[in-house]
Amino acid sequence: GQQVMQIPQYQHVQEGEDFTTYCNSSTTLSNIQWYKQRPGGHPVFLIQLVKSGEVKKQKRLTFQFGEAKKNSSLHITATQTTDVGTYFCAGPKAGKSTFGDGTTLTVKP
Amino acid sequence: DVKVTQSSRYLVKRTGEKVFLECVQDMDHENMFWYRQDPGLGLRLIYFSYDVKMKEKGDIPEGYSVSREKKERFSLILESASTNQTSMYLCASRTYEQYFGPGTRLTVT
Repeated sequence: GQQVMQIPQYQHVQEGEDFTTYCNSSTTLSNIQWYKQRPGGHPVFLIQLVKSGEVKKQKRLTFQFGEAKKNSSLHITATQTTDVGTYFCAGPKAGKSTFGDGTTLTVKP
Repeated sequence: DVKVTQSSRYLVKRTGEKVFLECVQDMDHENMFWYRQDPGLGLRLIYFSYDVKMKEKGDIPEGYSVSREKKERFSLILESASTNQTSMYLCASRTYEQYFGPGTRLTVT
């Protein structure tokens, strides 16, 4: 069945450094969604990518969807302490979603 | 402002007890989901429902059942709670993106 793998599992950065998390699917995805979960909170939707090769930006966050629509990435430029949390990707599967295991980002001030 | 609410933030139950976790959404969404979240294991789908009285098994349905008698309410039932069901339980509803509730941290002793 469809699997969505996410790497790395953890990332520790110094404030101001960049951060990237990668998401890879075993099958072609019609779309991919990204969520952020703050410590002690619940996942919150960030964005959805649909088109092959699509790139979207939200301030310091850049989201990409691969040409083959089997991988995606989230890049944060110049991390801030407010970026801490776990970032999940999710691919659709038969009316539901398959979530990656998430990348937990910690930022040292 | 969209809202998904869960009946309890924290719950402590004894082994063998029947446990009800309630989830209510006010967005008139057809699709609702129950996940459990454990450290290092990401979000795992227990059950989902795409309409009243309709339910589908997710990836880890064993030991759980669900009820959807009204569109806005989706209940997760642990027929006989066990210690390995100690976890964070998250409810979500969706049309395009998933909206998550605040979660219920269940401890089974």
